[in-house]
Amino acid sequence: SAVISQKPSRDICQRGTSLTIQCQVDSQVTMMFWYRQQPGQSLTLIATANQGSEATYESGFVIDKFPISRPNLTFSTLTVSNMSPEDSSIYLCSVGTRQGSEQFFGPGTRLTVL
Amino acid sequence: EDQVTQSPEALRLQEGESSSLNCSYTVSGLRGLFWYRQDPGKGPEFLFTLYSAGEEKEKERLKATLTKKESFLHITAPKPEDSATYLCAVESSGTYKYIFGTGTRLKVLA
Repeated sequence: SAVISQKPSRDICQRGTSLTIQCQVDSQVTMMFWYRQQPGQSLTLIATANQGSEATYESGFVIDKFPISRPNLTFSTLTVSNMSPEDSSIYLCSVGTRQGSEQFFGPGTRLTVL
Repeated sequence: EDQVTQSPEALRLQEGESSSLNCSYTVSGLRGLFWYRQDPGKGPEFLFTLYSAGEEKEKERLKATLTKKESFLHITAPKPEDSATYLCAVESSGTYKYIFGTGTRLKVLA
């Protein structure tokens, strides 16, 4: 399984500011995903990070609010823009090798917006 | 619409008291069903993948089974270290996306 790291592990931010979360994988992977886990809730897919092209966003999530980059097969960033307290969540990246295969998750970034 | 429902929401067991967690799903063609364990403050840890009805997977005290409508995670003689939230996810044919259930919070008492 891949080893996945995320930075920062946690942050406390003021409303109206932006935070960029990094996801680094120790090997090249085909698929990378970003999820949100709100307090006490399960995981919701935000978008699929596509290498060399724009990310594919799920219903309810837009690029202006959650811009994503994926410059290569081992790295991706998620930016949470113009934050409000409702954005307080754990943000997780995951990787997969092919459709129908298991995904492996990073440790998460715990974001609190005041 | 694809949907995943887990029950119970929470479960308290005495050490050694076996039980089962349920994951019911509705998908337009199942590509895979996945079980994860999540400890507080950590990302989900992969446990099992199941692909077709009748399939079973085992790991230590855990055994996952799959039917056409649901999956069970059986926990035999649990220990306090098995305390965690157990998540179920499905991937339907034609997509590469996971849909997660809301999880079962398991507490095993010594």
